[in-house]
Amino acid sequence: ILNVEQSPQSLHVQEGDSTNFTCSFPSSNFYALHWYRWETAKSPEALFVMTLNGDEKKKGRISATLNTKEGYSYLYIKGSQPEDSATYLCAPGLGGGSYIPTFGRGTSLIVHP
Amino acid sequence: DTGVSQNPRHKITKRGQNVTFRCDPISEHNRLYWYRQTLGQGPEFLTYFQNEAQLEKSRLLSDRFSAERPKGSFSTLEIQRTEQGDSAMYLCASSLGKAGTEAFFGQGTRLTVV
Repeated sequence: ILNVEQSPQSLHVQEGDSTNFTCSFPSSNFYALHWYRWETAKSPEALFVMTLNGDEKKKGRISATLNTKEGYSYLYIKGSQPEDSATYLCAPGLGGGSYIPTFGRGTSLIVHP
Repeated sequence: DTGVSQNPRHKITKRGQNVTFRCDPISEHNRLYWYRQTLGQGPEFLTYFQNEAQLEKSRLLSDRFSAERPKGSFSTLEIQRTEQGDSAMYLCASSLGKAGTEAFFGQGTRLTVV
């Protein structure tokens, strides 16, 4: 079982604040990492798929970086909005024939207007 | 086909009863995953299929759990002799064949065992 750590567990910020979360995972045999956003009463929605060391991805105000050698990924949200309130999950997976995304506990973000 | 569909959305059952959940993946997706999520935890992997073949099962999956994916289309997850500890959200996800591609999730089935 892949040990995936996400921090912080929860975060309350004011509208307009920028924030970032961390996902840590074992670096050996890394294959890919997914970031998901999970809003209450909805399905988890993929934000990014990252595979290469040094990858940087961006979607609007949200961006992510990946360091496979040291085993971490950061997710950044610039100028948080109330609609960004959700749980953010990372899911790295190891290589080999049976790639399986393994989820951390997630970071619960609440953005106050 | 607009996405992954799971039925039922909610299920309340008495301890000891059997329950079955269904997942209809996106039609061209050949990988299908089942996860379970309890309060305060991330989704925990249960099992996955590549087409109709069940390729891996988590050690979390006791003998009371069984999953099938006949003909590589929809999948069912059955829990026999349910226990209160089985209460959770059961999530299904599907993806295209290449490992590492984005998985699309259904809205889940919320199971409550009373």
